[in-house]
Amino acid sequence: AQTVTQSQPEMSVQEAETVTLSCTYDTSESDYYLFWYKQPPSRQMILVIRQEAYKQQNATENRFSVNFQKAAKSFSLKISDSQLGDAAMYFCAYRGTTSGTYKYIFGTGTRLKVLA
Amino acid sequence: ETGVTQSPTHLIKTRGQQVTLRCSSQSGHNTVSWYQQALGQGPQFIFQYYREEENGRGNFPPRFSGLQFPNYSSELNVNALELDDSALYLCASSFVGGEETQYFGPGTRLLVL
Repeated sequence: AQTVTQSQPEMSVQEAETVTLSCTYDTSESDYYLFWYKQPPSRQMILVIRQEAYKQQNATENRFSVNFQKAAKSFSLKISDSQLGDAAMYFCAYRGTTSGTYKYIFGTGTRLKVLA
Repeated sequence: ETGVTQSPTHLIKTRGQQVTLRCSSQSGHNTVSWYQQALGQGPQFIFQYYREEENGRGNFPPRFSGLQFPNYSSELNVNALELDDSALYLCASSFVGGEETQYFGPGTRLLVL
């Protein structure tokens, strides 16, 4: 069974600085998708970034980028120029392609605090 | 483009009661997935509906059931509520056959007393 591990329950970053959130996963599949979602206190899960495993190039979305290391099964999120609005829970998620069910497997989350 | 909506936003029930939660999928999407998120945890997959049929189920008992309607909206029903069912219930919609990224609704907070 696939698993997703986020080993940092909480991280802090100064406004305008850069922070990296870690995620590792375990799978025997060769093709899959990885995601980072943000969940602010409003509760709604917001897609931050998505990575297809077959793509070697790391995904980027404005200030957000990932470091995808397929062999190491690592998928970290880098937030540059952190802003107060980035404060939230961040969840790493995995979606396989072989089971026929498009379910996501989530990690336990990392709470990001942004300090003014 | 209309996003995913859920109702109600909050709900309080007592043990043994039954509850129905509702979800309207994002325009153009054909698949709905339901997740349970306990306090301080990541979401756990309950089940998914595609073409009005259950298309995969997580480790949840049969008292968790669902429906998908022809307009792709969905319901989650929970019978014989237990205290541990208290959680945030998230609905996510996606388009199977396309990008398949799941987009989430704001959730329903259920409290079982």
